Amino acid sequence: SQTIHQWPATLVQPVGSPLSLECTVEGTSNPNLYWYRQAAGRGLQLLFYSVGIGQISSEVPQNLSASRPQDRQFILSSKKLLLSDSGFYLCAWSRTGPNEKLFFGSGTQLSVL
Amino acid sequence: AQTVTQSQPEMSVQEAETVTLSCTYDTSENNYYLFWYKQPPSRQMILVIRQEAYKQQNATENRFSVNFQKAAKSFSLKISDSQLGDTAMYFCAFMKLHGSGNTGKLIFGQGTTLQVKP
Repeated sequence: SQTIHQWPATLVQPVGSPLSLECTVEGTSNPNLYWYRQAAGRGLQLLFYSVGIGQISSEVPQNLSASRPQDRQFILSSKKLLLSDSGFYLCAWSRTGPNEKLFFGSGTQLSVL
Repeated sequence: AQTVTQSQPEMSVQEAETVTLSCTYDTSENNYYLFWYKQPPSRQMILVIRQEAYKQQNATENRFSVNFQKAAKSFSLKISDSQLGDTAMYFCAFMKLHGSGNTGKLIFGQGTTLQVKP
């Protein structure tokens, strides 16, 4: 069966510090991968998605970047965090092809102070 | 651009009763999917139900069913026999199809917090 791992679960970082959140998927190959952010009490906003190694699409301009160094690894990064980067970050995956569901990780609560 | 609107920030229902959560969306697309996701206090996103726009029949999953009105661009979720474990935030979401596949770009509504009372 397929599983998605996301860590850390909670992170507190000072403004201006770097960020690296990691997500890995097991039990499948060539998945589509996604990073979503949820602001407090709000819906989810798609930040990045990837259909393959090294292929990253950004949905919104921001202070963050994403990379996919391996087929089942997706990393969310920042060189210098801003207060506005605080939020709940969710990684997700889906199989390629039509009519495919998204499966979400357990999320990372990021607080930038 | 597609938008998804959930006009009910909060709702409550007595255990064992039925509740309906509303969702409307705006799109010029003809082929798409609609979803309801549940986010309990653990914050794990859980897929509740999915509807393909080309299907006229409303999707059902046990106690969960939808009323899909394509012309009205409405997609409501009905929860029957509500249980305490249904307490969560519920999100309506839209996904556009791209040709033979899709990239899973879900567009979410703002969510409705549902409280099931004993």
